[in-house]
Amino acid sequence: GAGVSQSPRYKVAKRGQDVALRCDPISGHVSLFWYQQALGQGPEFLTYFQNEAQLDKSGLPSDRFFAERPEGSVSTLKIQRTQQEDSAVYLCASSPRPSGETDTQYFGPGTRLTVL
Amino acid sequence: GNSVTQMEGPVTLSEEAFLTINCTYTATGYPSLFWYVQYPGEGLQLLLKATKADDKGSNKGFEATYRKETTSFHLEKGSVQVSDSAVYFCALSVDDYKLSFGAGTTVTVRA
Repeated sequence: GAGVSQSPRYKVAKRGQDVALRCDPISGHVSLFWYQQALGQGPEFLTYFQNEAQLDKSGLPSDRFFAERPEGSVSTLKIQRTQQEDSAVYLCASSPRPSGETDTQYFGPGTRLTVL
Repeated sequence: GNSVTQMEGPVTLSEEAFLTINCTYTATGYPSLFWYVQYPGEGLQLLLKATKADDKGSNKGFEATYRKETTSFHLEKGSVQVSDSAVYFCALSVDDYKLSFGAGTTVTVRA
């Protein structure tokens, strides 16, 4: 069946540009997560949605980062005025149930963002 | 805070060798523990998990036992294959949603 998909797979932006990264979770999955993975590091949590509600955005590194999931399915991570330190792979994951239940997270292939 | 420390790589092995990747953790609360794997060109996928002390997670010949007394969750496989070449990530979750990952260990198995 279809897994988590992300687009674009690769994005090159000039410093100062705005970018939007899309995540299509597995159909029917309640929970959606965004992670940031710097080169040679493990993923780091950015934000969590339960349906359309953003319940945790504690990992967003600055107010230039904004995420939404308006209809409880597709999510967009937006980065305004990109900086070189934003260069990373951005991973999206979804899981079937709400938080509070230990559950497998299914990851997408990621979007590799390079800021020049 | 919550953190995971795992063995630095890269690790290079011959086929049929024994593999161990060490993982220790620090957590506020009682975490669930995971191993995720990333095969070349693919996304992260769950390899195994354990949710309470002394639980053993297993999958595809890999095993890891949740050791609360040593705060460890070491990954082992008795006989690796070339197809096991991948990056392995140890992770924990305290609040049953967000994952905290280690830095990853790259494993290369030679025929």
